[in-house]
Amino acid sequence: GENVEQHPSTLSVQEGDSAVIKCTYSDSASNYFPWYKQELGKRPQLIIDIRSNVGEKKDQRIAVTLNKTAKHFSLHITETQPEDSAVYFCAAPLAGTASKLTFGTGTRLQVTL
Amino acid sequence: GAGVSQSPSNKVTEKGKDVELRCDPISGHTALYWYRQSLGQGLEFLIYFQGNSAPDKSGLPSDRFSAERTGGSVSTLTIQRTQQEDSAVYLCASSFRMSPGTIPEQYFGPGTRLTVT
Repeated sequence: GENVEQHPSTLSVQEGDSAVIKCTYSDSASNYFPWYKQELGKRPQLIIDIRSNVGEKKDQRIAVTLNKTAKHFSLHITETQPEDSAVYFCAAPLAGTASKLTFGTGTRLQVTL
Repeated sequence: GAGVSQSPSNKVTEKGKDVELRCDPISGHTALYWYRQSLGQGLEFLIYFQGNSAPDKSGLPSDRFSAERTGGSVSTLTIQRTQQEDSAVYLCASSFRMSPGTIPEQYFGPGTRLTVT
C-alpha cells in the first residue's frame, strides 16, 4: 500500500517569512495529492491539491509542487501570517482506490510575530 | 447547505463499555469515511463506504470496531469493550462520487472526542 512521509513535524517561522513542508510517497501510480489544514480544535479542510499532470499549482500565498520522478511533493506558504498557524497534512491515494487517502503524520506550523 | 455533522461531540466512557458514534454526511454524498486521530498524530483510515458497495474495512484496528451505513446516508461507528488506547478523536468525512480518473474532495465533520477512563 501507499506510504506517505511528511517533514518536518513542527515548523516555526516569523510572520512574513516562507514555510515549506515536504512529503514523499512510495506508489508511483499515485496521481492526486491534496493538502489539508487543521486549525486547533477544528476539522481538517482542503486548502490545495495537485494532480500528476502538472508540476506546480498556485493559489494566492499557497503553492504546491510535485516531482513525480523523485516521488515527492511540497507545500509552500509565502508571506506567512498568524492565521496560517495550524497543522498541515499531506495525503496521497492508495493505488487503484481513487477515493481512499493515506495521510502524512502532519506538520505543526507556528507563525510568530 | 449543512456540512458533515457528528454526534456526540465529546464522549467519556468507562473501560469495557460499548460506544456508538454517529455521522451525518452532506446530502448527496455517496462516499463516507471514518478516520481516527490520536493526540498529536495523523489521520488513520478506518473504514470507507461507497454507495451500495461492500465497505472497505481494511483500516479497522480490531474486531471490536464495526460500522454500518443505513440507507446510504447516516453512518454509525461502534466500538465494543472500549480500551484506553481507543481514546482519540474520531473523524467522519464524505465526498461525491466523481467520474473515473477524478478524485473528489473529502469534507470532514467536527469529530467526536472519545475518552476511555
